[in-house]
Amino acid sequence: DTAVSQTPKYLVTQMGNDKSIKCEQNLGHDTMYWYKQDSKKFLKIMFSYNNKELIINETVPNRFSPKSPDKAHLNLHINSLELGDSAVYFCASSHNAGGRETQYFGPGTRLLVL
Amino acid sequence: RKEVEQDPGPFNVPEGATVAFNCTYSNSASQSFFWYRQDCRKEPKLLMSVYSSGNEDGRFTAQLNRASQYISLLIRDSKLSDSATYLCVVNQGYGQNFVFGPGTRLSVLP
Repeated sequence: DTAVSQTPKYLVTQMGNDKSIKCEQNLGHDTMYWYKQDSKKFLKIMFSYNNKELIINETVPNRFSPKSPDKAHLNLHINSLELGDSAVYFCASSHNAGGRETQYFGPGTRLLVL
Repeated sequence: RKEVEQDPGPFNVPEGATVAFNCTYSNSASQSFFWYRQDCRKEPKLLMSVYSSGNEDGRFTAQLNRASQYISLLIRDSKLSDSATYLCVVNQGYGQNFVFGPGTRLSVLP
């Protein structure tokens, strides 16, 4: 009965490669997100999708492209990986509960670029 | 000034102690507020929402002061299992724009 799931959990790859991370939520939420948490533990929003439409696109490199085939899935594709992309990537989804958006996070994908 | 700031920590407290965390936010239009906890190598998990009137959930009490743009979290009777990083989160109200603070690390010692 996993609420927000991500695959893979760990990803080790070489610089220059292209990789994808997948996210699925079974909560029926309308909005999904991708966050990056770097080595300093700062959690920063990258993208937000509401009903398959991008509503926030923070200033991330265009090597990162979110893709949402339906409102239960939000995948993250990364082209030409760089050393600085090493981080933990969290997917999240949210719904409006009692007049406020409340977020739930996936377990994270630990990406290491060598 | 950063959008959301928190006590830098870490806080090392003995079991049973009372500990308070502070958070300030810069956007006066912010609409909703939360405390999350994050254990080492785990995802953030919602601890509690913060309401204008203040709210309590067991040993945890959250307060919001909109005039001062300040949020607090009080933990009474600390347990070893409370050891984690506590994240202050502000929803700025446009789109679903959640801004996370840098976190305050708590270690409860036996």
